[in-house]
Amino acid sequence: ELKVEQNPLFLSMQEGKNYTIYCNYSTTSDRLYWYRQDPGKSLESLFVLLSNGAVKQEGRLMASLDTKARLSTLHITAAVHDLSATYFCAVDTRSSGDKLTFGTGTRLAVRP
Amino acid sequence: GAVVSQHPSRVICKSGTSVKIECRSLDFQATTMFWYRQFPKQSLMLMATSNEGSKATYEQGVEKDKFLINHASLTLSTLTVTSAHPEDSSFYICSARGQGKINNEQFFGPGTRLTVL
Repeated sequence: ELKVEQNPLFLSMQEGKNYTIYCNYSTTSDRLYWYRQDPGKSLESLFVLLSNGAVKQEGRLMASLDTKARLSTLHITAAVHDLSATYFCAVDTRSSGDKLTFGTGTRLAVRP
Repeated sequence: GAVVSQHPSRVICKSGTSVKIECRSLDFQATTMFWYRQFPKQSLMLMATSNEGSKATYEQGVEKDKFLINHASLTLSTLTVTSAHPEDSSFYICSARGQGKINNEQFFGPGTRLTVL
């Protein structure tokens, strides 16, 4: 059974600081996704990572994938309050019928 | 492109009644739709996968007689919560995946918040 873990579960950070969220998964994956969820809202797609060593950046967020370590990271640079949200990673595999398995989520609070 | 809508966005019902939630892909044909449930401060849990024209596949622990899923067309799937109880109160999110979509990506609807009194 595919398991996806994130840490930390909760992150309070000051504006302007950098931090990294980690996503570990238990079996070989075909694709890894990062999503953002604001309170009361659905998911917003941030990144899709397909291959080992993939790195994608959008604004202050950068995601990377190490398939050998079964690890993805979401790095936040110079955080701003607007980044406060819950971030989920999710993994799918062809062997699971392309179903998404979500991580536990990381609730990020950026304070002034 | 790749917009998914859900209706209603919010519903409050009495215990014992049934509630139907619609999920539509607006600008693509969704060969597969997924239904998720999310309790407060928790992650999304997949309930079932539906393919157009065939029976849904339910995840372990999800009662198929309680959560009826119909995927009658390539743009519409419905989830009916039958005889709803307060413990069914949750945020229900659908997603849709189209044939040939790049990266096999799922596109998520805005969610439906169900409150059962």
